[in-house]
Amino acid sequence: DAKTTQPNSMESNEEEPVHLPCNHSTISGTDYIHWYRQLPSQGPEYVIHGLTSNVNNRMASLAIAEDRKSSTLILHRATLRDAAVYYCILRDGAYGQNFVFGPGTRLSVLP
Amino acid sequence: GAGVSQSPSNKVTEKGKDVELRCDPISGHTALYWYRQSLGQGLEFLIYFQGNSAPDKSGLPSDRFSAERTGGSVSTLTIQRTQQEDSAVYLCASSFDPNTEAFFGQGTRLTVV
Repeated sequence: DAKTTQPNSMESNEEEPVHLPCNHSTISGTDYIHWYRQLPSQGPEYVIHGLTSNVNNRMASLAIAEDRKSSTLILHRATLRDAAVYYCILRDGAYGQNFVFGPGTRLSVLP
Repeated sequence: GAGVSQSPSNKVTEKGKDVELRCDPISGHTALYWYRQSLGQGLEFLIYFQGNSAPDKSGLPSDRFSAERTGGSVSTLTIQRTQQEDSAVYLCASSFDPNTEAFFGQGTRLTVV
């Protein structure tokens, strides 16, 4: 399985942008980059996913490097509710595999 | 519409007993996943069902664990002869197809005493 590397933890101030990095140097051409987050005492929830182009939705933006070996999840204005563990996951779109969750990045948002 | 529903939400069982955990996926979703999460730990993959294909059972930790998905809808995860190390939150997720977002249920908290 292609692996991802994320920082263990990050801090942000409320209402400031947050950039969560993810390295995936062994990504294959058919791997999609997915981001999920898990709020305390809840199941994971989908944030965003992409293949090659940058993606935007109501929750966040995903910036994908030109060589696809890294990506960045961008929260434009962090709120206290965004404090969670953020998981960057590669998923082979050609074969439809399960999601392999790593340890993720624990984001703390300071008021 | 309704999300992924899991039952029971909490289960306390005695060591050595069998338990069944149920997952009702979102209607029309062909992919169904089971994970477990021990206290303070990450998510551990257990099993993955995709349509009528043979399930990916590569994450099941022992032969005491089994799962089935009847009629391509409801899934049951069975743990036989439960052990204390089986205590965890068991999470189920479903997606419309393998390439779309997965929706997770709230989980079943299993405590083996």
